[in-house]
Amino acid sequence: GDSVTQMEGPVTLSEEAFLTINCTYTATGYPSLFWYVQYPGEGLQLLLKATKADDKGSNKGFEATYRKETTSFHLEKGSVQVSDSAVYFCALRDSGYSTLTFGKGTMLLVSP
Amino acid sequence: DTGVSQDPRHKITKRGQNVTFRCDPISEHNRLYWYRQTLGQGPEFLTYFQNEAQLEKSRLLSDRFSAERPKGSFSTLEIQRTEQGDSAMYLCASSSSSGTSTDTQYFGPGTRLTVL
Repeated sequence: GDSVTQMEGPVTLSEEAFLTINCTYTATGYPSLFWYVQYPGEGLQLLLKATKADDKGSNKGFEATYRKETTSFHLEKGSVQVSDSAVYFCALRDSGYSTLTFGKGTMLLVSP
Repeated sequence: DTGVSQDPRHKITKRGQNVTFRCDPISEHNRLYWYRQTLGQGPEFLTYFQNEAQLEKSRLLSDRFSAERPKGSFSTLEIQRTEQGDSAMYLCASSSSSGTSTDTQYFGPGTRLTVL
């Protein structure tokens, strides 16, 4: 079956540091890939997505590139802010299906 | 676009009681999903509707769980004879099967259930 593996957290960074959160996946088809973010006390928000190989999703300074050859969709940001502190979820939707499969989430803590 | 709304936001109940949650999707979305999220885990799929038809149910969904979406608008998720293991955040999401953001799911704030 489909699965998503994320690096374990928490990831602790100082403000303006570079961020990478690793995400790898297994899927039977050709999935679309997503990053969702969950701020404290709030629901899941779509951060970015990519629907085919080599696509780059970007939003709010975050980027992720769909790498079919390494089955990865790593999240990056060049300079994190305290307000980026949240839990980040990588997810996939396999081709021909509508439901999402999520990773366990990675907590990011950014200190001033 | 008011987003996906869920009610109640929090529910505390005693073991053995029945509970019902409501989800109102984004108005033009024809697909509606229920997920469950426990502490430290990602959301897990429970069930999915397209319009009023329930198209898929997870094996996680025991017989004590039932979901409806009458008239293809709001949806309800009922848990009968609640158990402590049902304590979780129940998330609703909606999406559209057409348009430029096809099938991108937008989530509500969730209903946190605590079973004592």
